[in-house]
Amino acid sequence: AQSVTQPDIHITVSEGASLELRCNYSYGATPYLFWYVQSPGQGLQLLLKYFSGDTLVQGIKGFEAEFKRSQSSFNLRKPSVHWSDAAEYFCAVGEEYGNKLVFGAGTILRVKS
Amino acid sequence: EPEVTQTPSHQVTQMGQEVILRCVPISNHLYFYWYRQILGQKVEFLVSFYNNEISEKSEIFDDQFSVERPDGSNFTLKIRSTKLEDSAMYFCASSELGLAGSQFFGPGTRLTVL
Repeated sequence: AQSVTQPDIHITVSEGASLELRCNYSYGATPYLFWYVQSPGQGLQLLLKYFSGDTLVQGIKGFEAEFKRSQSSFNLRKPSVHWSDAAEYFCAVGEEYGNKLVFGAGTILRVKS
Repeated sequence: EPEVTQTPSHQVTQMGQEVILRCVPISNHLYFYWYRQILGQKVEFLVSFYNNEISEKSEIFDDQFSVERPDGSNFTLKIRSTKLEDSAMYFCASSELGLAGSQFFGPGTRLTVL
């Protein structure tokens, strides 16, 4: 069965600092991988996704993620964090023709000024 | 930009009561989903719906739950007899092609069962 692990429940970074949120997945075939962001009171917004091809994918709001098959990881990065990036971030895995996304537990990002 | 909408934003109900959560998917989308997130826990898949029938459901989606597309625009989740443990944020999502990555999520309905 598919599963996603986000080892960090909370992360605090200073504004302007770089960010890396970790995600590890378990899936038998090549997974479809996603990062979503949830701001308070808001729905889940797709930041980026990986289906195939280039293992470094660019997303919205200056985020990027790198798929590393050997490590079963799909870590999210941003070179310089802004206060507005404070939110909860979810990594998810899906199947090519499947019907569902399987989410990790989420990482809450706090940004200090 | 088209978006998925959900009503109400917050629903409070008594245990044992029936609730209906409503969603309006993006108009040209054909695949519809419900997920839930119990406070402090991960987002969990409940059910997917295509061509007026359930295409996949999770173990959570037992006989107390049902989904319906009563007209051309709404997609509803009904919980027949709510339990305390049904308290959660319920997210509706829709997709044009059914591929996992093209799911667009609504803002959620927070259900509180007393």
